[in-house]
Amino acid sequence: RKEVEQDPGPFNVPEGATVAFNCTYSNSASQSFFWYRQDCRKEPKLLMSVYSSGNEDGRFTAQLNRASQYISLLIRDSKLSDSATYLCVVNPAGKLVFGAGTILRVKS
Amino acid sequence: DTAVSQTPKYLVTQMGNDKSIKCEQNLGHDTMYWYKQDSKKFLKIMFSYNNKELIINETVPNRFSPKSPDKAHLNLHINSLELGDSAVYFCASSQVRQIPDTQYFGPGTRLTVL
Repeated sequence: RKEVEQDPGPFNVPEGATVAFNCTYSNSASQSFFWYRQDCRKEPKLLMSVYSSGNEDGRFTAQLNRASQYISLLIRDSKLSDSATYLCVVNPAGKLVFGAGTILRVKS
Repeated sequence: DTAVSQTPKYLVTQMGNDKSIKCEQNLGHDTMYWYKQDSKKFLKIMFSYNNKELIINETVPNRFSPKSPDKAHLNLHINSLELGDSAVYFCASSQVRQIPDTQYFGPGTRLTVL
């Protein structure tokens, strides 16, 4: 089983749609959790950290369920510029482990 | 100014050659990393250095040798390049406290081995 699993997509959505990505992780000792965004042929960039209480940053909401070892990302009012690969990232032992990413394509 | 820079951006070479990739960060971070992203887009950590000391060394062939002359630089030397080494190599840095902090990535080096 992979340490971090994500639905690869692609998710094709119209502008303005709400889209949700899910991620599961296998190591219950993981201490910190993140969503990174990677544009085509570019480096990954931190989108947001994920906290147990859930957190929101503008149109983006992240949730963590430690009991189910599940992380989610919700994007509201999708923009064309949201098109990218979204990487779920966990830290099980002092290093970051990346999921393979979920591809989002927002179309006009 | 670029926070994490890598050179070269593209590297095309023949099997069996030896090549180096350089990385520099001007963020004042104490920890630097090398990652490999293969054709399936999986990003995997290879090495991590904290204040010039190797702290993470994943199961990477010993043809790969990182070198950190100071905490702002982490270079990667690859001997006897193989076709399977073709990938994008990303350098990253962070300021590690109790748990890893945000990692900042360089633009990547696209290595193609012919």
